[in-house]
Amino acid sequence: DADVTQTPRNRITKTGKRIMLECSQTKGHDRMYWYRQDPGLGLRLIYYSFDVKDINKGEISDGYSVSRQAQAKFSLSLESAIPNQTALYFCATSDRLDTDTQYFGPGTRLTVL
Amino acid sequence: AQSVTQLDSQVPVFEEAPVELRCNYSSSVSVYLFWYVQYPNQGLQLLLKYLSGSTLVKGINGFEAEFNKSQTSFHLRKPSVHISDTAEYFCAVSDWSDKLIFGTGTRLQVFP
Repeated sequence: DADVTQTPRNRITKTGKRIMLECSQTKGHDRMYWYRQDPGLGLRLIYYSFDVKDINKGEISDGYSVSRQAQAKFSLSLESAIPNQTALYFCATSDRLDTDTQYFGPGTRLTVL
Repeated sequence: AQSVTQLDSQVPVFEEAPVELRCNYSSSVSVYLFWYVQYPNQGLQLLLKYLSGSTLVKGINGFEAEFNKSQTSFHLRKPSVHISDTAEYFCAVSDWSDKLIFGTGTRLQVFP
């Protein structure tokens, strides 16, 4: 079984809809991250969480919110989706004792029409 | 502020040829450097990393990279590529804050 899972893997939605992307991990890591990937732009950090009570904005947090429901779960929400949020979204985890290595989920492809 | 520049967006190469993917970084503090690989329809996985010590770092699948502080570079190399190396490669940098800053990626296409 995959250590970092993301649901859904693909989602098509309409402008203005609320969307939640979920991430779960079985690695026992305390740190979790959300990135978005756009062609030609690489990966950009949206939010990160170093433990359940510690949530921080990344480079591009506007239009997004997150919830760290438990150590193993980190959800990303788009309160009112817009077309320029169409992208590939990745969740990642790392261990505070080995913070240099991040482990990525398979990604969620989101299309906002 | 830190930044990463990957000079080539695409690198086409024939199988069994050598390849070099270029990465330059900008930072005012000591950094850690990484290369991640993304195979088609998959998430990223760590290829190799430089934290300290020897400037030549060996990674998985026969890849290696050399940290050059004077040139602020961390180029990735492989002496002989295989079709299965076709993927997108990302250089990344982090500092004491434990956040990764990624480059824009280089798509390596290996032809038979």
